[in-house]
Amino acid sequence: QKEVEQDPGPLSVPEGAIVSLNCTYSNSAFQYFMWYRQYSRKGPELLMYTYSSGNKEDGRFTAQVDKSSKYISLFIRDSQPSDSATYLCAMTTRGPGSQGNLIFGKGTKLSVKP
Amino acid sequence: KAGVTQTPRYLIKTRGQQVTLSCSPISGHRSVSWYQQTPGQGLQFLFEYFSETQRNKGNFPGRFSGRQFSNSRSEMNVSTLELGDSALYLCASSFGSGGTDTQYFGPGTRLTVL
Repeated sequence: QKEVEQDPGPLSVPEGAIVSLNCTYSNSAFQYFMWYRQYSRKGPELLMYTYSSGNKEDGRFTAQVDKSSKYISLFIRDSQPSDSATYLCAMTTRGPGSQGNLIFGKGTKLSVKP
Repeated sequence: KAGVTQTPRYLIKTRGQQVTLSCSPISGHRSVSWYQQTPGQGLQFLFEYFSETQRNKGNFPGRFSGRQFSNSRSEMNVSTLELGDSALYLCASSFGSGGTDTQYFGPGTRLTVL
C-alpha cells in the first residue's frame, strides 16, 4: 500500500462548480497536511497547510483533515477556469518545510470549463 | 523578489551521458532541495542542501549527486544516464531547513533521455 493515494483524474467540471479533491494515507504519524497547485510547465506552489485534524479556509479554498479516517480533502468553491491545474497533496510528520520528509500524492488534474 | 530559477529548462541527452542542472534560490534562502517528478512515481525527494552541507537524501542511486555553493546556488548531477531518468527535475528553496518554512519551487528542468 502506498503511503499516500490520490486519484489522478482527470477531473472536468463546469465553471462555478464546487470541486472536491481527496487523498488517503496510511501513516498515522503524519501531522502536517498540505495542498499544492501546479500549473502546466510550472513548479508546485503551496496553497494551504493544516496541522492535525480540522478545517482551514482561505477564500474559495477549504482544506479538511480527518485523521481518524486518514483522509484529507480540498474543496474549491465557485471554481474558475484559472483553477485548472494539477493539485498535489503532501504530508509529513514535521512542518511543511521539512524537505525529505514530505510525501506527495501523484496529483489530480483538474479542468474547469467556461 | 525574483523566484527560484532553474537552467536549462529543457535538455535532451542520450543513455550513458551525464548531465548537470542548476538552481538559483530566492535571495536570502539557504536551503535548496531537489525533486524528481514523473507520471508514474509522482514527486520524489532527491536531496537537500543547507549552508553547503547535504542535510537529507532520498532513496536514489549514487548516480544522482549534488552540491551547494557559498552563494546558496545549487547544482545537481546525474551520471551514466538511463532512460528511466527522463523526468521533470524541480528545485525548491526555503529560508531555513525543516519546520514551518515554506518551500518555493522553480519551474523545473525537463530532462529527456534517448
